[in-house]
Amino acid sequence: AQSVTQLGSHVSVSEGALVLLRCNYSSSVPPYLFWYVQYPNQGLQLLLKYTSAATLVKGINGFEAEFKKSETSFHLTKPSAHMSDAAEYFCAVSEADAGGTSYGKLTFGQGTILTVHP
Amino acid sequence: NAGVTQTPKFRILKIGQSMTLQCTQDMNHNYMYWYRQDPGMGLKLIYYSVGAGITDKGEVPNGYNVSRSTTEDFPLRLELAAPSQTSVYFCASILPVGTAYTEAFFGQGTRLTVV
Repeated sequence: AQSVTQLGSHVSVSEGALVLLRCNYSSSVPPYLFWYVQYPNQGLQLLLKYTSAATLVKGINGFEAEFKKSETSFHLTKPSAHMSDAAEYFCAVSEADAGGTSYGKLTFGQGTILTVHP
Repeated sequence: NAGVTQTPKFRILKIGQSMTLQCTQDMNHNYMYWYRQDPGMGLKLIYYSVGAGITDKGEVPNGYNVSRSTTEDFPLRLELAAPSQTSVYFCASILPVGTAYTEAFFGQGTRLTVV
């Protein structure tokens, strides 16, 4: 079964600093990987996704993530943090079976709360 | 389009009471899901459905039931509420395109407290 580990339940950065949120996954077949963001009292919104087309994936709001198979990682980065980036971020994996079928079920990491200081 | 709509947004239940969390989507998505979110635990899949009349258990189905009589609606029922079911519940849907899936669309959530 697949699993996702997000290192660091809380990350704090200064406005303008680099944002790095870590995600490692475990999967026996090539995974589909996602980063979602959740603002307070709201649902989840997709930031970006990896579906094997390119290892460096660009998402919304200046975020990007790099898929590294050798490290089983999919870390999320943003060069310069903005106050509006403060939210909780979730890494998730959706696994296809040997026949390539996936029912879109997502396994989520524990979440990382990003705080941005002025 | 409204997307995925959940009702109610908040609810307080007493132990042993029952309730139905409603979820409806207007995007004609085949696949729908119920997740629960607990602090520091991420989201866990409760039940999912790949089409009308088809449902299956997720990771944490105990204490819940679902039905899918139409493409649009996917209600989640709690029969005998317990304090362990205090959580935030999210409904989501996907329009599967081959084996490369589009994003899941999430509702705003239902915050349930069982006392």
